[in-house]
Amino acid sequence: DAKTTQPPSMDCAEGRAANLPCNHSTISGNEYVYWYRQIHSQGPQYIIHGLKNNETNEMASLIITEDRKSSTLILPHATLRDTAVYYCIVGRTGANSKLTFGKGITLSVRP
Amino acid sequence: NAGVTQTPKFQVLKTGQSMTLQCAQDMNHEYMSWYRQDPGMGLRLIHYSVGAGITDQGEVPNGYNVSRSTTEDFPLRLLSAAPSQTSVYFCASSRANEQFFGPGTRLTVL
Repeated sequence: DAKTTQPPSMDCAEGRAANLPCNHSTISGNEYVYWYRQIHSQGPQYIIHGLKNNETNEMASLIITEDRKSSTLILPHATLRDTAVYYCIVGRTGANSKLTFGKGITLSVRP
Repeated sequence: NAGVTQTPKFQVLKTGQSMTLQCAQDMNHEYMSWYRQDPGMGLRLIHYSVGAGITDQGEVPNGYNVSRSTTEDFPLRLLSAAPSQTSVYFCASSRANEQFFGPGTRLTVL
């Protein structure tokens, strides 16, 4: 599976948009981009996934570049509860896809 | 739905002891998996199962056994605990493209 590169940390102000970048230059044509987050020491939580089109759900938006070598997760109005580690993962589709969780990016939302 | 449940929440073992971490899901998912997470690290896959009676090894399977006799349950057994197995263990079940994680078991091996 392709690897991803994320900065170790970033912060943003409460109420502002948080834009979390991810590089996945070796992604192959049948691999999806997944985002999960882990709040404090809880189990990871699924956020969103996409192949090549931009995706949006009630939690976030996922913007994937046309060449698919990078993507951005957007939390439109960050709250203090969004402070977490966010994992960008590349993998195949389906329930059986074995996803590799790296170290992720720590997002700190400040008041 | 309770989702994915794990017991116990915390456990302290002595080196050489054995134990079983329990995991159950009530979502009728075929795919289940076990991960471990060490401090400051991401999750590493230990074992996984694509359905009852079928299991396979992940990235770090040594020292762990699994079985899957029912769709709901996927226990993880530590055969002879070692300090290197001190970690937080997460169980997950999957539907389509989404994995659902349990709350974790925090294991310390002395």
